[in-house]
Amino acid sequence: KNEVEQSPQNLTAQEGEFITINCSYSVGISALHWLQQHPGGGIVSLFMLSSGKKKHGRLIATINIQEKHSSLHITASHPRDSAVYICAVGSARQLTFGSGTQLTVLP
Amino acid sequence: GAGVSQTPSNKVTEKGKYVELRCDPISGHTALYWYRQSLGQGPEFLIYFQGTGAADDSGLPNDRFFAVRPEGSVSTLKIQRTERGDSAVYLCASSPDRSDIQYFGAGTRLSVL
Repeated sequence: KNEVEQSPQNLTAQEGEFITINCSYSVGISALHWLQQHPGGGIVSLFMLSSGKKKHGRLIATINIQEKHSSLHITASHPRDSAVYICAVGSARQLTFGSGTQLTVLP
Repeated sequence: GAGVSQTPSNKVTEKGKYVELRCDPISGHTALYWYRQSLGQGPEFLIYFQGTGAADDSGLPNDRFFAVRPEGSVSTLKIQRTERGDSAVYLCASSPDRSDIQYFGAGTRLSVL
């Protein structure tokens, strides 16, 4: 069993839909990261969470430490949101990554 | 620049050759990380530097892989006797002192023919 599991692996949505990507982990962590990776490999850090909820524009990330679960939500999705979204957990020394969720938003 | 810079962006080499991949972290960041991402998978940890020293190199797959950070800023990942299985995107990230936030570079895509 992977230490970090994301679901779904692939997600196709219509523009405007509300999107949820889930992340479950089995290790103790000090922080959880949500990352966005566009074609070509560049990774952008979206959120770092250690508790509660964070919001940035149309993106919302939540974490439940007791249940070892986090969700990334995208409201009013847009084709430019199409990317791979990666959950990563760990400490300042090391991150363990999920395999990513490929999101495609159709116009 | 303001972000983490990795060079080259793409590197094509032949099996058995030696390659060096460079990472310029954000100025002032004391922590530097190398990750490897194979096609269709999430990144995997390779090595972590705090300052000039490798604080954790447990992710290096074998002794063909080596990384240095001699002055505590720029880091070089060195791969000897490259194999086709080394083909991947090599990602570098840096972090301010005592922070969990990591800032990623765009990566170097290594292709071993």
